[in-house]
Amino acid sequence: QKEVEQDPGPLSVPEGAIVSLNCTYSNSAFQYFMWYRQYSRKGPELLMYTYSSGNKEDGRFTAQVDKSSKYISLFIRDSQPSDSATYLCAMAGNSGNTPLVFGKGTRLSVIA
Amino acid sequence: ETGVTQTPRHLVMGMTNKKSLKCEQHLGHNAMYWYKQSAKKPLELMFVYSLEERVENNSVPSRFSPECPNSSHLFLHLHTLQPEDSALYLCASSQDSDSPLHFGNGTRLTVT
Repeated sequence: QKEVEQDPGPLSVPEGAIVSLNCTYSNSAFQYFMWYRQYSRKGPELLMYTYSSGNKEDGRFTAQVDKSSKYISLFIRDSQPSDSATYLCAMAGNSGNTPLVFGKGTRLSVIA
Repeated sequence: ETGVTQTPRHLVMGMTNKKSLKCEQHLGHNAMYWYKQSAKKPLELMFVYSLEERVENNSVPSRFSPECPNSSHLFLHLHTLQPEDSALYLCASSQDSDSPLHFGNGTRLTVT
């Protein structure tokens, strides 16, 4: 079993839709959970950073962590064409950021 | 401007060539990283430097040779590469091992 599983998509939604992106993981030692957004021909940029279980909201974005199920989600409300990108989940154990374990990324297209 | 600058943006090299990738961070961070991003694969950590000392080398082939002359600069020296080494090479930095990563926009490497 891979350490982090993420459906690569592609996922195509109409503008204004609620988007749900998900990752599952097998290592119960993971404590830090991140979502990165990567536009075409750019490097990944940090979108959300959470510790342990619970929800974190930032504007139209909500990150959710369920450690009991080893499942994390990123919700995007009122999706916009500018949200079209690849979304990468990443996670780490202990207090360190490395070594981060990444998912393969989900490619999202928001259609106007 | 991402704060982490990588050059060149694109590189085509033959299997017998020697070339170097350069990364510079303008964020005052103490740790720098090289990642490899291939299609349909998770990001792969190659090297980590913390305060200019290499702290991790994930069994990367010796045809990849990193150099970190100071906390702001990181190089990846390449020689006798294989076609399967073609990928996007991403540099990242972080304030310390507990902080999120900031990525550059990568060098797209093609080995012919």
